[in-house]
Amino acid sequence: NAGVTQTPKFQVLKTGQSMTLQCAQDMNHNSMYWYRQDPGMGLRLIYYSASEGTTDKGEVPNGYNVSRLNKREFSLRLESAAPSQTSVYFCASSRADYGYTFGSGTRLTVV
Amino acid sequence: QKEVEQDPGPLSVPEGAIVSLNCTYSNSAFQYFMWYRQYSRKGPELLMYTYSSGNKEDGRFTAQVDKSSKYISLFIRDSQPSDSATYLCAMSDYKLSFGAGTTVTVRA
Repeated sequence: NAGVTQTPKFQVLKTGQSMTLQCAQDMNHNSMYWYRQDPGMGLRLIYYSASEGTTDKGEVPNGYNVSRLNKREFSLRLESAAPSQTSVYFCASSRADYGYTFGSGTRLTVV
Repeated sequence: QKEVEQDPGPLSVPEGAIVSLNCTYSNSAFQYFMWYRQYSRKGPELLMYTYSSGNKEDGRFTAQVDKSSKYISLFIRDSQPSDSATYLCAMSDYKLSFGAGTTVTVRA
C-alpha cells in the first residue's frame, strides 16, 4: 500500500537549472496538492488540482508550474531554479477537504 | 496576519506529562479542523480530525475546538518519547491552511 510516492527524495540544482518533481498516488483520490515547507513558515500551498484536468494556484505559485498528467500523477516543475526555492517539497492527495495523505518529501537545494 | 497562528515552541516535557498545543485562527469560514504529526524527515500524517466545536478523544489524544473563540487545542496524555515530533494544526474551508508547527520533545 504505497500511498503517495514522490521522486526524487533529494536534489541539488544550480541557479537557473530546471527540474520536475514527480508525484503519484494509488488511493484513487481526486484532489492533489503541492506544498513547500520552510522553517518557521509551516506548509504553504504552491498549486493544487481538485480533479483530473484542472489546476489552480495556491499561496506561493510564482516560479512553479504543474501538470495533472492523469488521476494518479501530479508533477511540479521549476523552470529556472532560484536559491529562494531551496525547501522541502511535499505532495499530498485527498478524497475531500480533509484527510490529506502526504508523501515523504523532496529535499531541494538550489546553489 | 496569518490565517492560522501556532506557537512554534519548542516544547520539552518529561515522559508521562500532559502536552498542550494550541492554534488560533481568523477565518470564520473554516469548517474542518485537524492535527497532523510530523516526524523528522518525514511527511505529515493525520492524527486527529474534527468538524464541530467540542472535544474528540482518540486514545491518549484529545482535540478541542472552540469556534466562538476561534481556538483549537490538542492534548497528549501520558506522553511518551515516541510522541516527540512536530505537531501542525490545519483548518479547511475549501482547502487546508496550516499552522507553522510546534516541535515537541518528550524526555525519557
